[in-house]
Amino acid sequence: RKEVEQDPGPFNVPEGATVAFNCTYSNSASQSFFWYRQDCRKEPKLLMSVYSSGNEDGRFTAQLNRASQYISLLIRDSKLSDSATYLCVVNGMDSSYKLIFGSGTRLLVRP
Amino acid sequence: EPEVTQTPSHQVTQMGQEVILRCVPISNHLYFYWYRQILGQKVEFLVSFYNNEISEKSEIFDDQFSVERPDGSNFTLKIRSTKLEDSAMYFCASSGGEISPGELFFGEGSRLTVL
Repeated sequence: RKEVEQDPGPFNVPEGATVAFNCTYSNSASQSFFWYRQDCRKEPKLLMSVYSSGNEDGRFTAQLNRASQYISLLIRDSKLSDSATYLCVVNGMDSSYKLIFGSGTRLLVRP
Repeated sequence: EPEVTQTPSHQVTQMGQEVILRCVPISNHLYFYWYRQILGQKVEFLVSFYNNEISEKSEIFDDQFSVERPDGSNFTLKIRSTKLEDSAMYFCASSGGEISPGELFFGEGSRLTVL
């Protein structure tokens, strides 16, 4: 099983749509969870951390299910500028310092 | 806004040559990292560095790789004898927390092309 697994997409949605991405991770001992965003040929940038109780930041909502080792990201009212690859990231098996990245889910928002 | 800076942005080298990639982390950060991303693939952890020593390294980070913080501001990645498969984007990152690393801030990357 891959350490962090994501649906590669692409998800092709119209502006204003709601879209959800899922991610599973293999290490039950992972403690830190994040969603990063990566634009084409750019560096990853933190979108949001994911907390056990779930958290929201504007149009973005992240959920964590530790029992199922499952993380989700919901984007409401999609904008053209949301087009990017969304990376699910968890801390590694050995310590908190090593982040393991999923392969990413590509989102295309069309006019 | 403070940022991580990397040089060069793009380097082309011949197989077998040594390459040094340079990074200036955010000034008050304590943890430093190198990640790489082969074109079309996922971001992969190479090494983390804390308190002037390597804290973790991946299987990718073999004897051909080394890191150094020579002067308290720069953080370098050296590849001693480059191979074709070293062609990738190399990202430096830093994070600040004293208790836990916290958010990683990435530089814009150095693209390495090995011919």
